[in-house]
Amino acid sequence: GENVEQHPSTLSVQEGDSAVIKCTYSDSASNYFPWYKQELGKGPQLIIDIRSNVGEKKDQRIAVTLNKTAKHFSLHITETQPEDSAVYFCAASWKSNYQLIWGAGTKLIIKP
Amino acid sequence: DAGVIQSPRHEVTEMGQEVTLRCKPISGHDYLFWYRQTMMRGLELLIYFNNNVPIDDSGMPEDRFSAKMPNASFSTLKIQPSEPRDSAVYFCASSLAGLAEPTGELFFGEGSRLTVL
Repeated sequence: GENVEQHPSTLSVQEGDSAVIKCTYSDSASNYFPWYKQELGKGPQLIIDIRSNVGEKKDQRIAVTLNKTAKHFSLHITETQPEDSAVYFCAASWKSNYQLIWGAGTKLIIKP
Repeated sequence: DAGVIQSPRHEVTEMGQEVTLRCKPISGHDYLFWYRQTMMRGLELLIYFNNNVPIDDSGMPEDRFSAKMPNASFSTLKIQPSEPRDSAVYFCASSLAGLAEPTGELFFGEGSRLTVL
Protein backbone atom coordinates (compact mmCIF):
# COMPACT_ATOMS: atom_id res chain seq x y z
CA GLY A 1 0.00 0.00 0.00
CA GLU A 2 0.93 3.65 0.00
CA ASN A 3 3.35 4.80 2.67
CA VAL A 4 5.56 7.62 3.87
CA GLU A 5 9.01 6.89 5.25
CA GLN A 6 10.60 9.37 7.63
CA HIS A 7 14.23 9.62 8.78
CA PRO A 8 15.82 9.83 11.23
CA SER A 9 13.65 8.55 14.05
CA THR A 10 15.68 10.58 16.56
CA LEU A 11 17.81 13.65 15.91
CA SER A 12 19.93 15.40 18.50
CA VAL A 13 21.49 18.76 17.61
CA GLN A 14 23.28 21.50 19.48
CA GLU A 15 21.28 24.63 20.15
CA GLY A 16 21.88 27.09 17.35
CA ASP A 17 22.70 24.41 14.78
CA SER A 18 20.43 23.32 11.93
CA ALA A 19 18.23 20.23 11.81
CA VAL A 20 17.04 18.37 8.71
CA ILE A 21 14.34 15.70 8.61
CA LYS A 22 13.65 13.77 5.42
CA CYS A 23 10.60 11.94 4.09
CA THR A 24 9.88 9.87 1.01
CA TYR A 25 6.44 8.99 -0.30
CA SER A 26 5.15 6.35 -2.67
CA ASP A 27 1.92 7.75 -4.17
CA SER A 28 2.84 9.77 -7.27
CA ALA A 29 -0.61 11.39 -7.12
CA SER A 30 0.15 13.06 -3.76
CA ASN A 31 0.27 16.83 -4.09
CA TYR A 32 0.05 18.16 -0.54
CA PHE A 33 2.80 17.71 2.06
CA PRO A 34 2.35 19.12 5.56
CA TRP A 35 4.66 18.99 8.56
CA TYR A 36 3.24 18.79 12.07
CA LYS A 37 4.94 19.34 15.39
CA GLN A 38 3.78 17.43 18.47
CA GLU A 39 4.81 18.55 21.92
CA LEU A 40 4.54 16.24 24.91
CA GLY A 41 0.93 15.70 25.95
CA LYS A 42 -0.47 17.72 23.06
CA GLY A 43 -1.96 17.03 19.67
CA PRO A 44 0.05 17.64 16.49
CA GLN A 45 0.11 21.19 15.17
CA LEU A 46 0.77 22.29 11.60
CA ILE A 47 4.03 24.21 11.25
CA ILE A 48 4.46 24.41 7.49
CA ASP A 49 3.10 22.78 4.35
CA ILE A 50 3.89 22.70 0.66
CA ARG A 51 1.92 21.86 -2.44
CA SER A 52 3.33 20.20 -5.52
CA ASN A 53 3.36 23.31 -7.65
CA VAL A 54 6.32 24.76 -5.68
CA GLY A 55 9.72 23.37 -4.80
CA GLU A 56 10.46 25.29 -1.61
CA LYS A 57 8.67 27.26 1.05
CA LYS A 58 10.06 29.23 3.98
CA ASP A 59 8.61 30.63 7.16
CA GLN A 60 11.16 32.35 9.37
CA ARG A 61 13.49 29.61 10.70
CA ILE A 62 11.72 26.70 9.04
CA ALA A 63 11.66 25.66 5.41
CA VAL A 64 10.41 22.72 3.40
CA THR A 65 11.76 21.49 0.09
CA LEU A 66 10.02 19.15 -2.32
CA ASN A 67 11.43 16.99 -5.09
CA LYS A 68 8.47 15.46 -6.93
CA THR A 69 10.65 13.53 -9.35
CA ALA A 70 12.42 11.73 -6.55
CA LYS A 71 9.29 11.72 -4.36
CA HIS A 72 10.92 13.15 -1.32
CA PHE A 73 10.56 16.25 0.82
CA SER A 74 12.50 17.66 3.74
CA LEU A 75 12.05 19.94 6.73
CA HIS A 76 14.85 22.33 7.58
CA ILE A 77 15.05 24.16 10.90
CA THR A 78 17.82 26.74 11.29
CA GLU A 79 19.17 28.34 14.46
CA THR A 80 17.49 25.70 16.60
CA GLN A 81 16.16 26.70 20.01
CA PRO A 82 15.11 24.66 23.07
CA GLU A 83 11.44 25.15 22.21
CA ASP A 84 12.03 23.29 18.94
CA SER A 85 12.36 20.06 20.94
CA ALA A 86 9.35 17.92 19.97
CA VAL A 87 8.27 15.11 17.67
CA TYR A 88 7.88 16.13 14.04
CA PHE A 89 5.65 14.29 11.58
CA CYS A 90 5.61 14.55 7.83
CA ALA A 91 2.58 13.52 5.81
CA ALA A 92 1.48 13.19 2.21
CA SER A 93 -1.99 13.42 0.76
CA TRP A 94 -3.67 10.45 -0.93
CA LYS A 95 -7.13 9.17 -1.87
CA SER A 96 -7.84 12.09 -4.17
CA ASN A 97 -6.09 14.32 -1.65
CA TYR A 98 -8.74 14.03 1.02
CA GLN A 99 -6.66 12.01 3.46
CA LEU A 100 -3.10 12.01 4.80
CA ILE A 101 -0.55 9.23 5.12
CA TRP A 102 1.74 9.97 8.04
CA GLY A 103 5.41 9.32 8.61
CA ALA A 104 6.47 7.58 11.81
CA GLY A 105 7.80 10.77 13.41
CA THR A 106 11.20 12.21 14.35
CA LYS A 107 12.04 13.07 17.92
CA LEU A 108 14.13 16.25 17.79
CA ILE A 109 16.29 16.96 20.82
CA ILE A 110 17.98 20.33 21.17
CA LYS A 111 21.03 20.15 23.42
CA PRO A 112 21.84 23.34 25.37
CA ASP B 1 -11.90 30.03 19.72
CA ALA B 2 -11.27 27.29 22.30
CA GLY B 3 -9.96 24.85 19.74
CA VAL B 4 -10.95 21.19 19.47
CA ILE B 5 -12.12 19.91 22.83
CA GLN B 6 -11.86 16.26 23.78
CA SER B 7 -13.03 14.40 26.84
CA PRO B 8 -12.05 12.59 28.91
CA ARG B 9 -8.32 13.39 28.81
CA HIS B 10 -7.54 10.11 30.56
CA GLU B 11 -9.58 6.94 30.84
CA VAL B 12 -8.61 3.75 32.61
CA THR B 13 -11.01 0.86 32.26
CA GLU B 14 -11.13 -2.88 32.45
CA MET B 15 -11.33 -5.24 29.52
CA GLY B 16 -14.87 -5.74 28.34
CA GLN B 17 -16.15 -2.36 29.45
CA GLU B 18 -17.65 0.18 27.08
CA VAL B 19 -15.65 3.32 26.41
CA THR B 20 -17.02 6.54 24.94
CA LEU B 21 -14.74 9.34 23.82
CA ARG B 22 -16.14 12.75 23.01
CA CYS B 23 -15.14 15.58 20.71
CA LYS B 24 -16.30 19.11 20.07
CA PRO B 25 -14.79 20.45 16.84
CA ILE B 26 -14.00 24.07 16.10
CA SER B 27 -17.16 25.93 15.21
CA GLY B 28 -17.65 26.24 11.48
CA HIS B 29 -15.32 23.37 10.57
CA ASP B 30 -16.92 20.99 8.09
CA TYR B 31 -14.55 18.05 8.54
CA LEU B 32 -13.96 15.94 11.63
CA PHE B 33 -11.37 13.19 11.96
CA TRP B 34 -10.71 10.52 14.58
CA TYR B 35 -7.11 9.32 14.85
CA ARG B 36 -5.42 6.74 17.04
CA GLN B 37 -1.76 7.09 18.06
CA THR B 38 0.44 4.28 19.37
CA MET B 39 4.18 3.78 19.50
CA MET B 40 3.94 0.73 17.27
CA ARG B 41 1.61 2.02 14.57
CA GLY B 42 2.00 5.79 14.78
CA LEU B 43 -0.93 7.98 13.73
CA GLU B 44 -3.79 6.04 12.16
CA LEU B 45 -6.92 7.57 10.70
CA LEU B 46 -9.96 5.71 12.00
CA ILE B 47 -12.82 7.61 10.38
CA TYR B 48 -13.70 11.03 9.09
CA PHE B 49 -16.90 13.00 8.62
CA ASN B 50 -17.87 15.76 6.24
CA ASN B 51 -20.88 17.85 7.25
CA ASN B 52 -21.73 15.23 9.90
CA VAL B 53 -21.78 12.38 7.37
CA PRO B 54 -19.22 9.56 7.69
CA ILE B 55 -17.14 9.53 4.51
CA ASP B 56 -14.49 6.89 5.09
CA ASP B 57 -14.47 4.44 7.99
CA SER B 58 -12.03 1.98 6.45
CA GLY B 59 -9.58 2.66 9.27
CA MET B 60 -11.93 1.48 12.00
CA PRO B 61 -10.21 -1.65 13.31
CA GLU B 62 -13.28 -3.82 13.79
CA ASP B 63 -16.94 -3.86 14.68
CA ARG B 64 -16.18 -3.08 18.29
CA PHE B 65 -15.49 0.50 17.18
CA SER B 66 -18.23 2.90 16.17
CA ALA B 67 -18.37 6.65 15.65
CA LYS B 68 -21.22 9.09 15.37
CA MET B 69 -21.65 12.76 14.65
CA PRO B 70 -25.23 13.68 15.54
CA ASN B 71 -24.65 17.38 14.88
CA ALA B 72 -21.98 19.80 13.73
CA SER B 73 -20.64 20.42 17.24
CA PHE B 74 -20.34 16.92 18.68
CA SER B 75 -18.90 13.52 17.84
CA THR B 76 -18.35 10.32 19.77
CA LEU B 77 -16.07 7.33 19.33
CA LYS B 78 -17.28 4.24 21.13
CA ILE B 79 -15.46 1.00 21.83
CA GLN B 80 -17.56 -1.91 23.01
CA PRO B 81 -16.26 -4.19 24.38
CA SER B 82 -12.81 -2.72 25.03
CA GLU B 83 -9.63 -4.82 24.89
CA PRO B 84 -6.09 -4.16 26.17
CA ARG B 85 -4.84 -3.71 22.59
CA ASP B 86 -7.13 -0.69 22.28
CA SER B 87 -4.88 1.20 24.69
CA ALA B 88 -3.70 4.30 22.83
CA VAL B 89 -4.13 8.04 22.58
CA TYR B 90 -7.18 8.93 20.54
CA PHE B 91 -7.18 12.29 18.81
CA CYS B 92 -10.01 14.21 17.29
CA ALA B 93 -9.18 16.81 14.66
CA SER B 94 -11.26 19.21 12.61
CA SER B 95 -10.65 21.26 9.48
CA LEU B 96 -12.41 24.08 7.75
CA ALA B 97 -12.15 22.41 4.35
CA GLY B 98 -10.69 19.35 2.69
CA LEU B 99 -6.94 18.91 2.24
CA ALA B 100 -7.22 19.89 -1.39
CA GLU B 101 -8.23 23.37 -0.26
CA PRO B 102 -5.88 26.04 1.11
CA THR B 103 -7.81 25.95 4.39
CA GLY B 104 -7.45 22.21 4.87
CA GLU B 105 -5.19 22.47 7.96
CA LEU B 106 -6.00 19.90 10.63
CA PHE B 107 -6.56 21.25 14.14
CA PHE B 108 -6.07 18.55 16.74
CA GLY B 109 -7.46 18.27 20.22
CA GLU B 110 -5.18 17.33 23.12
CA GLY B 111 -6.23 13.69 22.90
CA SER B 112 -7.82 11.09 25.15
CA ARG B 113 -5.38 8.61 26.63
CA LEU B 114 -7.10 5.25 26.99
CA THR B 115 -5.73 2.42 29.10
CA VAL B 116 -7.56 -0.89 29.04
CA LEU B 117 -6.46 -3.27 31.78
